[in-house]
Amino acid sequence: NAGVTQTPKFQVLKTGQSMTLQCAQDMNHEYMSWYRQDPGMGLRLIHYSVGAGITDQGEVPNGYNVSRSTTEDFPLRLLSAAPSQTSVYFCASSNSVAYNEQFFGPGTRLTVL
Amino acid sequence: GQQVMQIPQYQHVQEGEDFTTYCNSSTTLSNIQWYKQRPGGHPVFLIQLVKSGEVKKQKRLTFQFGEAKKNSSLHITATQTTDVGTYFCAAAGYQLTFGKGTKLSVIP
Repeated sequence: NAGVTQTPKFQVLKTGQSMTLQCAQDMNHEYMSWYRQDPGMGLRLIHYSVGAGITDQGEVPNGYNVSRSTTEDFPLRLLSAAPSQTSVYFCASSNSVAYNEQFFGPGTRLTVL
Repeated sequence: GQQVMQIPQYQHVQEGEDFTTYCNSSTTLSNIQWYKQRPGGHPVFLIQLVKSGEVKKQKRLTFQFGEAKKNSSLHITATQTTDVGTYFCAAAGYQLTFGKGTKLSVIP
Protein backbone atom coordinates (compact mmCIF):
# COMPACT_ATOMS: atom_id res chain seq x y z
CA ASN A 1 0.00 0.00 0.00
CA ALA A 2 1.23 3.49 -0.85
CA GLY A 3 -0.84 5.03 1.95
CA VAL A 4 -1.56 8.72 1.38
CA THR A 5 0.17 10.34 -1.58
CA GLN A 6 0.35 14.01 -2.44
CA THR A 7 1.53 15.79 -5.56
CA PRO A 8 3.37 17.97 -6.21
CA LYS A 9 5.97 18.04 -3.41
CA PHE A 10 6.92 21.64 -4.13
CA GLN A 11 5.18 24.40 -6.08
CA VAL A 12 5.82 28.07 -6.73
CA LEU A 13 2.94 30.20 -7.94
CA LYS A 14 2.46 33.82 -8.81
CA THR A 15 -0.29 35.83 -7.15
CA GLY A 16 -3.57 35.23 -8.92
CA GLN A 17 -2.69 31.86 -10.42
CA SER A 18 -4.82 28.83 -9.72
CA MET A 19 -3.75 25.29 -9.10
CA THR A 20 -4.87 21.95 -7.69
CA LEU A 21 -3.06 19.99 -5.01
CA GLN A 22 -3.64 16.30 -5.45
CA CYS A 23 -4.26 13.80 -2.65
CA ALA A 24 -4.97 10.10 -3.00
CA GLN A 25 -5.23 7.21 -0.56
CA ASP A 26 -5.43 3.48 -1.16
CA MET A 27 -6.70 2.40 2.26
CA ASN A 28 -10.42 2.76 1.46
CA HIS A 29 -10.77 5.43 4.12
CA GLU A 30 -14.01 7.38 4.23
CA TYR A 31 -12.66 10.41 6.07
CA MET A 32 -10.19 12.73 4.35
CA SER A 33 -9.02 16.19 5.23
CA TRP A 34 -6.69 19.01 4.26
CA TYR A 35 -4.54 20.97 6.70
CA ARG A 36 -2.17 23.83 6.31
CA GLN A 37 0.84 24.24 8.55
CA ASP A 38 2.44 27.60 9.21
CA PRO A 39 5.29 28.30 11.64
CA GLY A 40 4.01 28.56 15.20
CA MET A 41 0.41 27.91 14.15
CA GLY A 42 0.22 24.14 14.27
CA LEU A 43 -2.05 22.36 11.83
CA ARG A 44 -5.23 24.13 10.79
CA LEU A 45 -8.08 22.33 9.09
CA ILE A 46 -9.09 23.72 5.69
CA HIS A 47 -11.75 21.28 4.44
CA TYR A 48 -12.75 17.73 5.18
CA SER A 49 -14.89 14.99 3.72
CA VAL A 50 -16.71 12.12 5.40
CA GLY A 51 -17.28 10.23 2.16
CA ALA A 52 -17.63 10.54 -1.58
CA GLY A 53 -19.87 13.45 -2.48
CA ILE A 54 -19.75 15.00 1.01
CA THR A 55 -17.45 17.87 1.98
CA ASP A 56 -17.47 20.51 4.67
CA GLN A 57 -15.47 23.51 5.77
CA GLY A 58 -12.87 23.52 8.48
CA GLU A 59 -11.28 26.39 10.37
CA VAL A 60 -9.65 28.21 7.42
CA PRO A 61 -11.62 27.46 4.21
CA ASN A 62 -11.47 30.83 2.44
CA GLY A 63 -9.68 30.75 -0.90
CA TYR A 64 -9.87 26.96 -1.21
CA ASN A 65 -12.30 24.56 -2.86
CA VAL A 66 -12.58 20.80 -2.57
CA SER A 67 -14.59 18.02 -4.11
CA ARG A 68 -14.81 14.29 -3.42
CA SER A 69 -16.01 12.34 -6.43
CA THR A 70 -14.34 9.09 -5.38
CA THR A 71 -13.32 7.50 -2.09
CA GLU A 72 -9.66 7.58 -3.13
CA ASP A 73 -9.15 11.19 -4.22
CA PHE A 74 -9.57 14.51 -2.46
CA PRO A 75 -8.07 17.40 -4.46
CA LEU A 76 -7.64 20.89 -3.02
CA ARG A 77 -8.07 23.81 -5.40
CA LEU A 78 -6.61 27.25 -4.93
CA LEU A 79 -8.80 29.57 -6.97
CA SER A 80 -6.61 32.69 -7.06
CA ALA A 81 -3.40 32.24 -5.11
CA ALA A 82 -2.33 34.88 -2.60
CA PRO A 83 0.95 35.25 -0.67
CA SER A 84 -0.99 34.45 2.53
CA GLN A 85 -1.49 30.94 1.14
CA THR A 86 2.24 30.25 1.26
CA SER A 87 2.35 27.22 3.53
CA VAL A 88 2.89 23.50 3.80
CA TYR A 89 -0.25 21.54 2.96
CA PHE A 90 -0.97 18.12 4.37
CA CYS A 91 -3.68 15.72 3.34
CA ALA A 92 -4.83 13.07 5.82
CA SER A 93 -7.19 10.13 5.83
CA SER A 94 -8.71 7.81 8.40
CA ASN A 95 -11.31 5.12 8.93
CA SER A 96 -13.85 7.39 10.57
CA VAL A 97 -14.60 10.96 11.43
CA ALA A 98 -11.65 11.99 13.60
CA TYR A 99 -11.95 9.09 16.08
CA ASN A 100 -9.20 7.04 14.58
CA GLU A 101 -5.57 7.43 13.68
CA GLN A 102 -5.06 9.98 10.93
CA PHE A 103 -2.61 8.96 8.21
CA PHE A 104 -0.85 11.96 6.74
CA GLY A 105 0.66 12.39 3.31
CA PRO A 106 4.19 13.76 2.85
CA GLY A 107 2.98 17.30 2.24
CA THR A 108 3.16 19.94 -0.48
CA ARG A 109 5.29 23.01 0.13
CA LEU A 110 3.64 25.93 -1.67
CA THR A 111 5.15 29.37 -2.20
CA VAL A 112 3.07 32.20 -3.64
CA LEU A 113 5.05 35.17 -4.90
CA GLY B 1 -15.21 24.46 17.94
CA GLN B 2 -12.84 22.85 20.38
CA GLN B 3 -9.60 24.56 21.21
CA VAL B 4 -6.56 23.01 22.78
CA MET B 5 -3.69 24.96 24.27
CA GLN B 6 -0.31 23.28 24.26
CA ILE B 7 2.70 24.29 26.34
CA PRO B 8 5.55 24.90 26.17
CA GLN B 9 6.02 26.03 22.58
CA TYR B 10 9.72 25.11 22.64
CA GLN B 11 11.85 22.93 24.88
CA HIS B 12 15.59 22.41 24.76
CA VAL B 13 16.95 19.56 26.84
CA GLN B 14 20.26 17.83 27.31
CA GLU B 15 20.27 14.27 26.11
CA GLY B 16 19.23 12.06 29.00
CA GLU B 17 16.96 14.66 30.61
CA ASP B 18 13.21 14.20 30.81
CA PHE B 19 10.68 16.16 28.76
CA THR B 20 6.99 16.90 29.25
CA THR B 21 4.46 18.68 27.06
CA TYR B 22 0.98 19.62 28.25
CA CYS B 23 -2.29 19.99 26.44
CA ASN B 24 -5.26 21.83 27.99
CA SER B 25 -8.84 22.45 26.98
CA SER B 26 -11.61 24.53 28.52
CA THR B 27 -14.16 21.90 27.50
CA THR B 28 -14.42 18.18 28.14
CA LEU B 29 -12.80 16.19 25.37
CA SER B 30 -14.16 13.00 23.83
CA ASN B 31 -10.67 11.75 23.29
CA ILE B 32 -7.24 13.07 22.54
CA GLN B 33 -4.59 11.99 20.08
CA TRP B 34 -0.86 12.63 20.06
CA TYR B 35 1.32 13.00 16.98
CA LYS B 36 5.03 13.44 16.35
CA GLN B 37 6.44 15.35 13.41
CA ARG B 38 10.13 15.01 12.63
CA PRO B 39 11.87 18.00 11.03
CA GLY B 40 10.86 18.15 7.37
CA GLY B 41 8.41 15.30 7.81
CA HIS B 42 4.72 14.78 8.26
CA PRO B 43 2.77 14.14 11.49
CA VAL B 44 2.76 10.53 12.60
CA PHE B 45 0.19 9.13 15.01
CA LEU B 46 1.52 8.06 18.40
CA ILE B 47 -1.51 7.23 20.51
CA GLN B 48 -5.15 7.90 21.33
CA LEU B 49 -6.53 8.34 24.86
CA VAL B 50 -10.22 7.87 25.51
CA LYS B 51 -10.91 7.12 29.16
CA SER B 52 -10.81 9.51 32.10
CA GLY B 53 -7.51 9.13 33.99
CA GLU B 54 -6.07 6.86 31.32
CA VAL B 55 -2.31 6.28 31.31
CA LYS B 56 -0.54 4.57 28.42
CA LYS B 57 3.13 3.84 27.93
CA GLN B 58 5.21 3.30 24.84
CA LYS B 59 8.77 2.49 25.88
CA ARG B 60 10.11 5.82 27.25
CA LEU B 61 6.92 7.74 26.41
CA THR B 62 4.08 8.06 28.95
CA PHE B 63 0.74 9.55 27.96
CA GLN B 64 -1.90 10.68 30.45
CA PHE B 65 -5.49 11.85 30.11
CA GLY B 66 -6.82 13.92 32.99
CA GLU B 67 -9.60 12.78 35.27
CA ALA B 68 -11.87 15.55 33.98
CA LYS B 69 -10.84 14.83 30.37
CA LYS B 70 -9.78 18.44 29.93
CA ASN B 71 -6.03 17.97 29.87
CA SER B 72 -3.40 15.56 28.73
CA SER B 73 0.36 15.19 28.90
CA LEU B 74 3.19 13.44 27.14
CA HIS B 75 6.30 12.64 29.16
CA ILE B 76 9.53 11.34 27.68
CA THR B 77 12.02 9.78 30.06
CA ALA B 78 15.74 10.10 29.34
CA THR B 79 15.47 11.86 25.98
CA GLN B 80 17.54 10.72 23.03
CA THR B 81 18.47 12.58 19.86
CA THR B 82 15.92 10.46 18.02
CA ASP B 83 13.18 12.19 20.05
CA VAL B 84 13.80 15.50 18.25
CA GLY B 85 10.70 16.88 16.57
CA THR B 86 7.43 18.61 17.26
CA TYR B 87 4.80 16.89 19.37
CA PHE B 88 1.16 17.75 18.79
CA CYS B 89 -1.94 16.93 20.75
CA ALA B 90 -5.22 16.85 18.87
CA ALA B 91 -8.76 16.91 20.21
CA ALA B 92 -11.00 14.49 18.37
CA GLY B 93 -14.60 15.29 17.63
CA TYR B 94 -16.39 15.68 14.31
CA GLN B 95 -13.13 17.34 13.32
CA LEU B 96 -9.63 16.97 14.66
CA THR B 97 -8.34 20.16 16.30
CA PHE B 98 -4.60 20.37 16.79
CA GLY B 99 -2.65 22.23 19.42
CA LYS B 100 0.19 24.40 18.17
CA GLY B 101 2.76 21.83 19.18
CA THR B 102 5.87 21.66 21.33
CA LYS B 103 9.15 21.67 19.46
CA LEU B 104 11.73 19.51 21.23
CA SER B 105 15.45 19.98 20.70
CA VAL B 106 17.87 17.53 22.26
CA ILE B 107 21.44 18.62 22.85
CA PRO B 108 23.82 15.65 22.63
